[in-house]
Amino acid sequence: DIQMTQSPSSLSASVGDRVTISCRASQTISYYLNWYRQKPGKAPELLIYAASTLQSGVPSRFSGSGSGTEFTLTITSLQPEDFATYYCQQGYITPRTFGQGTRVELK
Amino acid sequence: QVQLQQSGPGLLKSSETLSLTCTVSGNAISSGYYWAWIRQPPGKGLEWIGSVYHSGHTYYNPSLKSRVSISVDKSKSQFSLKLSSVTAADTAVYYCAGEATAAYYYMDVWGKGTTVTVSS
Repeated sequence: DIQMTQSPSSLSASVGDRVTISCRASQTISYYLNWYRQKPGKAPELLIYAASTLQSGVPSRFSGSGSGTEFTLTITSLQPEDFATYYCQQGYITPRTFGQGTRVELK
Repeated sequence: QVQLQQSGPGLLKSSETLSLTCTVSGNAISSGYYWAWIRQPPGKGLEWIGSVYHSGHTYYNPSLKSRVSISVDKSKSQFSLKLSSVTAADTAVYYCAGEATAAYYYMDVWGKGTTVTVSS
């Protein structure tokens, strides 16, 4: 199985801050990397697919970059609804695997 | 736009079989999606259980493969999950999802989740 490792596991930030979350794959996955946001008590929602493609309807403050084994999710100007948990996930092979999650909390 | 509606019991006893169904709206069951199940234990991360294509072809997580069966019923626009011999470790929120299968693979449609509790 491909292991996905996110860092940090949690972070504290304020509204308007720029936030960066990293994701590392245990082997190369090309651009087959997706990012999800999960609000408390809700299903995950897709933000970014293919490492850097913004899902339709997702605000442009979200962006993704990277390839191979190293990936980054950036949120510019954090909004109140962005205080949530973020997961990366590889779509390269089965079994699909997720990172352990990064919790973004209000400072 | 595709929507997913989950159904199934939320309380089971140890050794029973978990059965959940996900209904796909808009005749999309035979579109270019893999239909997947994902679970999330309380306070923990996401675990992919497996997926099925409208042809019936399946993929399973090796960690659960001996106990899992995922099937599709195109006539009802539904796909289903069965997990046998459940224990307390199977207590989780179970999500169904659609995984797009264009040039890349990503889960862009999700059900709302079903909380499943296994009691002894």
